[in-house]
Amino acid sequence: AQSVAQPEDQVNVAEGNPLTVKCTYSVSGNPYLFWYVQYPNRGLQFLLKYITGDNLVKGSYGFEAEFNKSQTSFHLKKPSALVSDSALYFCAVRDMDTDKLIFGTGTRLQVFP
Amino acid sequence: GAGVSQTPSNKVTEKGKYVELRCDPISGHTALYWYRQSLGQGPEFLIYFQGTGAADDSGLPNDRFFAVRPEGSVSTLKIQRTERGDSAVYLCASSFSGGGNYGYTFGSGTRLTVV
Repeated sequence: AQSVAQPEDQVNVAEGNPLTVKCTYSVSGNPYLFWYVQYPNRGLQFLLKYITGDNLVKGSYGFEAEFNKSQTSFHLKKPSALVSDSALYFCAVRDMDTDKLIFGTGTRLQVFP
Repeated sequence: GAGVSQTPSNKVTEKGKYVELRCDPISGHTALYWYRQSLGQGPEFLIYFQGTGAADDSGLPNDRFFAVRPEGSVSTLKIQRTERGDSAVYLCASSFSGGGNYGYTFGSGTRLTVV
């Protein structure tokens, strides 16, 4: 069965520093991987996805993610964090049999001024 | 509309009552998904429609939960005899055909509180 793991409940980073939010996956076959962000009392906003092609995927708001097949990881990154990036981040993998998304438990990103 | 619309945004109901949650997907999106997000957790899959039919309802927790999409657009999630444990944010998403290639667009959710 497909699954994703987000090992960190919370990540703290100072504004202007690079940030990384970790995600590892377990799938049979080639994974379709996604990152979403959720602000308080809001729905999920799409950041980026990996289906195939270049291992470095660029997304919205300056975020990018690197697909690493050997490490089964899909970490979210940003070169310079903003206070407004503070939110809840979810990694997800598409279930290849049923098309539904399977989400991780989420990582709360806190960017301090 | 431009996005996925969910109504109401908030719903408070008494234990044992019946509730309906509505999702209006993006026009032309054939796939529609319902998820439930409990406090501090990631969204959990409930049901997936392709057109009018439920392609996968394996996530519905029990027979108190039911969803319909009679005309292949708007969907209603129905919960009978609500329990306090049903309190959560219910999220709807839609996709053009399949989400794997075309992506999934989520609504803002309905926050259900059972008192």
